[in-house]
Amino acid sequence: DVKVTQSSRYLVKRTGEKVFLECVQDMDHENMFWYRQDPGLGLRLIYFSYDVKMKEKGDIPEGYSVSREKKERFSLILESASTNQTSMYLCASSLRPSGRQFFGPGTRLTVL
Amino acid sequence: DQQVKQNSPSLSVQEGRISILNCDYTNSMFDYFLWYKKYPAEGPTFLISISSIKDKNEDGRFTVFLNKSAKHLSLHIVPSQPGDSAVYFCAASARYGGSQGNLIFGKGTKLSVKP
Repeated sequence: DVKVTQSSRYLVKRTGEKVFLECVQDMDHENMFWYRQDPGLGLRLIYFSYDVKMKEKGDIPEGYSVSREKKERFSLILESASTNQTSMYLCASSLRPSGRQFFGPGTRLTVL
Repeated sequence: DQQVKQNSPSLSVQEGRISILNCDYTNSMFDYFLWYKKYPAEGPTFLISISSIKDKNEDGRFTVFLNKSAKHLSLHIVPSQPGDSAVYFCAASARYGGSQGNLIFGKGTKLSVKP
């Protein structure tokens, strides 16, 4: 069965801290995505990656960076967390960029 | 500009009745459409999809209808159950046209099914 896992379900950090969110998929998918979900704003794409060491900016990349050193792992980094980055973060993977995406369980991040 | 629009942020339906969730798109290159369901504190899960060569796809209580000329799709849930209460996201892409564009999501509709 297809599996996307995220390192934490809930995380509480302080303003200014560096935050790492990790995502691992076991489907050998080329494509991986990071979204954030906020009420009324839907799923907003932060960054995506088509291959190892490749990354592309999504719709809201400001304040975030990513790393993809291995095919199965895609990390989202908040260099200096701010309160407006409090959100639900969702990772997804897919075989093709335009194809069905498989989502992880999400990380609820609170920045105080 | 939003390419996939779900104009109703919320919908309330009585248990046993039909739920109809709507989605409009603007990009005529889109040829693959999906619906996802999301419970609070969980990731979205795939529900049903349809390609542009069809106008209807059914899976149990869930049916998706596609009207290409109107650039409109809808998800019908019959009969609705309280466990269907969730946020439903519509998504679309130009999958079969060879484009490398990503799946584009709507903002979601929160469905509440009242017992």
